[in-house]
Amino acid sequence: GAVVSQHPSRVICKSGTSVKIECRSLDFQATTMFWYRQFPKQSLMLMATSNEGSKATYEQGVEKDKFLINHASLTLSTLTVTSAHPEDSSFYICSACRQGSDEQYFGPGTRLTVT
Amino acid sequence: AQSVTQPDIHITVSEGASLELRCNYSYGATPYLFWYVQSPGQGLQLLLKYFSGDTLVQGIKGFEAEFKRSQSSFNLRKPSVHWSDAAEYFCAVVPPGGYNKLIFGAGTRLAVHP
Repeated sequence: GAVVSQHPSRVICKSGTSVKIECRSLDFQATTMFWYRQFPKQSLMLMATSNEGSKATYEQGVEKDKFLINHASLTLSTLTVTSAHPEDSSFYICSACRQGSDEQYFGPGTRLTVT
Repeated sequence: AQSVTQPDIHITVSEGASLELRCNYSYGATPYLFWYVQSPGQGLQLLLKYFSGDTLVQGIKGFEAEFKRSQSSFNLRKPSVHWSDAAEYFCAVVPPGGYNKLIFGAGTRLAVHP
């Protein structure tokens, strides 16, 4: 158990458009989900923490109006990159915590390329 | 500054050889400590974690890690590496009072020669 999926696995979009990435916990309920960004050959940087039914908490330096996070249910969180630019190209990874547990289960990631 | 450091960016070992990946942290108190492995196309997988207690922690896939408070280290070890262990390895911490927020090291890429 404890499987997290992300959709799409990779996406290419044009500069100025918006793209939505979904993160789903497939076999458990996740009260908390996290969104990370990973640049090539670099580590994961936490972008925001998302709690079901409440506003996301963004890390310092992350633009909340650019990276919209919605956690509308216990199994789904979405990250929308608005007005994407080439510098937003990156690997976006989500993780989810099962209710009552601190362990994070990671999705496989979404490769975003903005042209 | 508070941080988690993985000094080795890239390590190459021969199949069957032993492995040690280094991780050091810099926090006033002992954080929660984790090792994850990232393989292409797969999500990060937790190898092991340390919260308290026995300083030698056993994990999955034959990995173990030892917490050494005096050295602020949490090094990952495996006695005999398999070709399938080639991947990126991340040390991570939840700092004291960190509310479950993981802070990752830069990662160590492991290559395994036959």
